[in-house]
Amino acid sequence: GAVVSQHPSWVICKSGTSVKIECRSLDFQATTMFWYRQFPKQSLMLMATSNEGSKATYEQGVEKDKFLINHASLTLSTLTVTSAHPEDSSFYICSARVLAIETQYFGPGTRLLVL
Amino acid sequence: AQSVSQHNHHVILSEAASLELGCNYSYGGTVNLFWYVQYPGQHLQLLLKYFSGDPLVKGIKGFEAEFIKSKFSFNLRKPSVQWSDTAEYFCAVRSTGRRALTFGSGTRLQVQP
Repeated sequence: GAVVSQHPSWVICKSGTSVKIECRSLDFQATTMFWYRQFPKQSLMLMATSNEGSKATYEQGVEKDKFLINHASLTLSTLTVTSAHPEDSSFYICSARVLAIETQYFGPGTRLLVL
Repeated sequence: AQSVSQHNHHVILSEAASLELGCNYSYGGTVNLFWYVQYPGQHLQLLLKYFSGDPLVKGIKGFEAEFIKSKFSFNLRKPSVQWSDTAEYFCAVRSTGRRALTFGSGTRLQVQP
């Protein structure tokens, strides 16, 4: 089946540093990937849609300069949290769309803790 | 804008009990509907999906869901739950013309042995 990986699975960083999270589709190509944020005991909130070869589409209220997304290839999208602050601490989840069956498969998530 | 409501936030059942989790969406056009499950410490997994055709959809692990267009609902059911079904369940909707999913707030199911 379609497998999506994320790296790292968790990261602790100091306030002001930048953190890069990778999302890979392991056994299929994904022209579209999505980045979600999940707060404890809450649902997934879409942050942005990552498009291979073009700029990401950000949801309203998401700072594009803070959450940089690069979809460098058909199997890799990266999310960089720039100048992270404690309020950016969250669980970040990516998904990749399998176009043929119009279904998203999710990565295991990355837990970010900013001290 | 589309939205998804899951009215049951936390459900506690005993093993072998029947399960029904509610999901309602607000969107007047054609939608694709999904149920995802998130087991403790694991990633979201697709349980089942509805695109068109038979409104009663069967998924993995004995789950099924029924799409009732007139009620804008897509409730998840399982006749007999097991302890291993303890997880968070999310309903999601995608309207035509939009690639992203809109998720409900999730329902935490706790099955007691």
